[in-house]
Amino acid sequence: DAGVIQSPRHEVTEMGQEVTLRCKPISGHDYLFWYRQTMMRGLELLIYFNNNVPIDDSGMPEDRFSAKMPNASFSTLKIQPSEPRDSAVYFCASSLQLETDTQYFGPGTRLTVL
Amino acid sequence: AQSVTQLDSHVSVSEGTPVLLRCNYSSSYSPSLFWYVQHPNKGLQLLLKYTSAATLVKGINGFEAEFKKSETSFHLTKPSAHMSDAAEYFCVVSESRGNKLVFGAGTILRVKS
Repeated sequence: DAGVIQSPRHEVTEMGQEVTLRCKPISGHDYLFWYRQTMMRGLELLIYFNNNVPIDDSGMPEDRFSAKMPNASFSTLKIQPSEPRDSAVYFCASSLQLETDTQYFGPGTRLTVL
Repeated sequence: AQSVTQLDSHVSVSEGTPVLLRCNYSSSYSPSLFWYVQHPNKGLQLLLKYTSAATLVKGINGFEAEFKKSETSFHLTKPSAHMSDAAEYFCVVSESRGNKLVFGAGTILRVKS
């Protein structure tokens, strides 16, 4: 398996622009997670899905952030409008059913908002 | 609520000497505990996992961790450090039934030649 795939790997944008991050989970995994990593706050869970349905979005910082999972093999995290404080590395992870809690992480997207 | 405390933000060892990365957790349930490693500019990789089976867990690359319920600890060890072990290590606890992971702040391991 190719593992969790994220795109783009790097994104540089200007304040106010819309940013869309993409994730393809491991085939057969029913859970998908979006995390944000910064020096100041470490790793934070933003939202997670089970069978394409958002279960817990309490970590989403504000309304400028939204996430969707239209099917089992694709998810997006969108920031509109972006701000410099959104600069971070965004990770996507996926896992199997509740029988196992192991999450498999993608390589991350490094976002820089100027 | 569950939480994780990594007692050292940075650890420096010489190549060939033992590694000890300390982790304490707080949990209301029987937790699942993990150690993940993150090499520079890379994603996180699972090192090992404890899920209420054997208390001594062996992971990849010669790492192991021991679950000690009386001490609420899950320290990560390796007998002999290698230069390639230099990375950031995260101790993680899983909330029961919810499949959410709670991450520690991380410990940066430096290996000196």
